[in-house]
Amino acid sequence: GESVGLHLPTLSVQEGDNSIINCAYSNSASDYFIWYKQESGKGPQFIIDIRSNMDKRQGQRVTVLLNKTVKHLSLQIAATQPGDSAVYFCAENPKDNFNKFYFGSGTKLNVKP
Amino acid sequence: NAGVTQTPKFRVLKTGQSMTLLCAQDMNHEYMYWYRQDPGMGLRLIHYSVGEGTTAKGEVPDGYNVSRLKKQNFLLGLESAAPSQTSVYFCASSGAGVWGDTQYFGPGTRLTVL
Repeated sequence: GESVGLHLPTLSVQEGDNSIINCAYSNSASDYFIWYKQESGKGPQFIIDIRSNMDKRQGQRVTVLLNKTVKHLSLQIAATQPGDSAVYFCAENPKDNFNKFYFGSGTKLNVKP
Repeated sequence: NAGVTQTPKFRVLKTGQSMTLLCAQDMNHEYMYWYRQDPGMGLRLIHYSVGEGTTAKGEVPDGYNVSRLKKQNFLLGLESAAPSQTSVYFCASSGAGVWGDTQYFGPGTRLTVL
């Protein structure tokens, strides 16, 4: 099956710094990607998405970069705040598995005050 | 607009007992999903539904059954619970977009099977 993984299981950053969370995917046919944030005891919350016809997409304080050549996805959080502390998942949606998503195990982001 | 809701939030079962988890969404979404989340692992798809009256198996369907009698509800049943089914269960829903569509998740049900 598809493999979606994260390079760093835990990331600690200082409040105010920028954070970068990485994700590798294995299926070159994947054409839709989502980043989710999951706080302790809660369900995953949509942050930002990107389709394969784009390299970059920006939201409020967040940017997702997609490098299809090396099958790599990253989430950048600007001016990280304590409220950003959570586990972040990437998910991929292969074109031949419409609306089926495959999730990585997650990266835990710790923001130090 | 409550989004996706799940009941119950917590449950403890003994091996062999049965139970049903209820998921409801008020976004008029066509697609609904049940996932389980285990420590150190990504979400794994149990079953999903692409519309009222239809269901399909996901990645880990064994030991579970589902029903989608109404568009807004998706039920997950455990007929004979096993300790291996101890997990956190998440329901999600999405629209029927042609090129993938965002999935919205409920708050989860934490199930312990003794």
